[in-house]
Amino acid sequence: AQTVTQSQPEMSVQEAETVTLSCTYDTSENNYYLFWYKQPPSRQMILVIRQEAYKQQNATENRFSVNFQKAAKSFSLKISDSQLGDTAMYFCAFMRWDFGNEKLTFGTGTRLTIIP
Amino acid sequence: DTEVTQTPKHLVMGMTNKKSLKCEQHMGHRAMYWYKQKAKKPPELMFVYSYEKLSINESVPSRFSPECPNSSLLNLHLHALQPEDSALYLCASSQRNDRNEKLFFGSGTQLSVL
Repeated sequence: AQTVTQSQPEMSVQEAETVTLSCTYDTSENNYYLFWYKQPPSRQMILVIRQEAYKQQNATENRFSVNFQKAAKSFSLKISDSQLGDTAMYFCAFMRWDFGNEKLTFGTGTRLTIIP
Repeated sequence: DTEVTQTPKHLVMGMTNKKSLKCEQHMGHRAMYWYKQKAKKPPELMFVYSYEKLSINESVPSRFSPECPNSSLLNLHLHALQPEDSALYLCASSQRNDRNEKLFFGSGTQLSVL
């Protein structure tokens, strides 16, 4: 079974600063996906960024980037130039590459507050 | 259209009621999911439908009954629920494409069982 650990229950940062959210996972699989999802107060689950395990290059999406360390089973999210709209719960998630048997497993989440 | 639409947004029901949650997507996705999320907790998988067939059932009590009438629709039928079943119920869909797999979520149904 896969487990996803987010060790920072809450974080806060000043607007325009950079913040990094940590995530580690445990799996015996070699092929899998990793995700960061954002859940604002509206509770809509929004995909932030996605990484395939077979790719060494770290994924980036505008102000969001990841540091994927496969050997260390680490997958951190960096938010640059943070904005008030980034205030949300952030979930790290794991999905193994198993056609027809996909299952997305979430970490416990990090509540991020951007301070004006 | 990149939306997953869930109705109703809010639902209050008694323990003897029968109700249904509905989920719809028009992205051509062939997998659909039901997740349950309690307050301040991560979502927990309940069911997965792949090509309209139930592929994963996470040992959910029989008072929750999923149905996938076609590839665009997913229902969750509720009967004789307990107060502890109060939660946000999230629907999601995905393409079933190994190279680009990701889940799109709806905005959820907030369920209260009295």
